[in-house]
Amino acid sequence: DAGVTQSPTHLIKTRGQQVTLRCSPKSGHDTVSWYQQALGQGPQFIFQYYEEEERQRGNFPDRFSGHQYPNYSSELNVNALLLGDSALYLCASSLDAGGSYNEQFFGPGTRLTVL
Amino acid sequence: DAKTTQPPSMDCAEGRAANLPCNHSTISGNEYVYWYRQIHSQGPQYIIHGLKNNETNEMASLIITEDRKSSTLILPHATLRDTAVYYCIVRVTSGTYKYIFGTGTRLKVLA
Repeated sequence: DAGVTQSPTHLIKTRGQQVTLRCSPKSGHDTVSWYQQALGQGPQFIFQYYEEEERQRGNFPDRFSGHQYPNYSSELNVNALLLGDSALYLCASSLDAGGSYNEQFFGPGTRLTVL
Repeated sequence: DAKTTQPPSMDCAEGRAANLPCNHSTISGNEYVYWYRQIHSQGPQYIIHGLKNNETNEMASLIITEDRKSSTLILPHATLRDTAVYYCIVRVTSGTYKYIFGTGTRLKVLA
């Protein structure tokens, strides 16, 4: 049973460019959340997708956008990259059970470096 | 803002129990306590969760105080592979789908 997978593993971009990160959820999961983790900090919630819609959003600018496909996989897009966007980007999947609790399972992350 | 407070670092001798404390004095009645750990630059790994009763699984035990204002994660026989950052998180059961991470406790298991 495959866990959460993310691609690419590492990525180097320059300021002003755009980037797309990809995530495939754990088998059987229908919900995908994205987190940003700066060096030495805990992960910060960006947004969550369920039924191909953004369900909740953290305190991130509109430069951060996402998408969820019918097969539940998801993309995170970041436009107009800033140096401060350099971080580990984590995808987490879970199974929505009528709105009640279910733990999130995290992928290995994508390390983005902005030069 | 994170609703939990944890010591920034702890050391534990290999083979001994590691007891990691967490304060969550503003926890509400419908909020669960979750523990995750993150080994260097990997994704966080789920360990255990609980509401008000003590919980145990193959990885750890979770002790929650009666007033639910604090909890302790116990790794019964720590190994070098348990060296990681441990995060304590509180989350409501519905309506809020995000985890709010603090800065966690960096546990170092010593040989």
